[in-house]
Amino acid sequence: EPEVTQTPSHQVTQMGQEVILRCVPISNHLYFYWYRQILGQKVEFLVSFYNNEISEKSEIFDDQFSVERPDGSNFTLKIRSTKLEDSAMYFCASRYDRGTEAFFGQGTRLTVV
Amino acid sequence: DAKTTQPNSMESNEEEPVHLPCNHSTISGTDYIHWYRQLPSQGPEYVIHGLTSNVNNRMASLAIAEDRKSSTLILHRATLRDAAVYYCILREETSGSRLTFGEGTQLTVNP
Repeated sequence: EPEVTQTPSHQVTQMGQEVILRCVPISNHLYFYWYRQILGQKVEFLVSFYNNEISEKSEIFDDQFSVERPDGSNFTLKIRSTKLEDSAMYFCASRYDRGTEAFFGQGTRLTVV
Repeated sequence: DAKTTQPNSMESNEEEPVHLPCNHSTISGTDYIHWYRQLPSQGPEYVIHGLTSNVNNRMASLAIAEDRKSSTLILHRATLRDAAVYYCILREETSGSRLTFGEGTQLTVNP
């Protein structure tokens, strides 16, 4: 069964450093998403991406965040200068079309120290 | 997004049916009812979705009230692997927009 793949599974970084979280969505999917889940809290939407541009973003997704689909297969989330409060599980998701279900990856646990 | 209300937790015994309720009294005519679940230390996983009619798939059944103000996810025979947080989410399908997760229902399955 096709799946969304995320790497790395766990990343530890120092406050102020840049991190890039990587995702390989399912190959024929058209909509891509990033969500995050702070430990013990709800899953929160960050951003959606369609047709090579951001289609929607939340208030969490400020200027420190950016997304890119550099080569038609990868979908990345960059955090320019990490803060302690960025520590969370980050989930990538993709869906084929608007009426279809979203498939989530297993997540990257980001720890900012 | 319209709001949903679910019990914080429910318990079931293995191999028994489980009925997980969801109230969505402010649902609009274009909102689909989605259910996702999140097993421990994993990403959310799609379970089922519907608009007006009851739906069945290999994982579960979705029973939707006639007025659409509530729905019930039915797991026909719970297994230990079904222990997870279950989220009921309303989503308008005319856009590629977000899923808005609430707190969900923590389902415990007893052996």
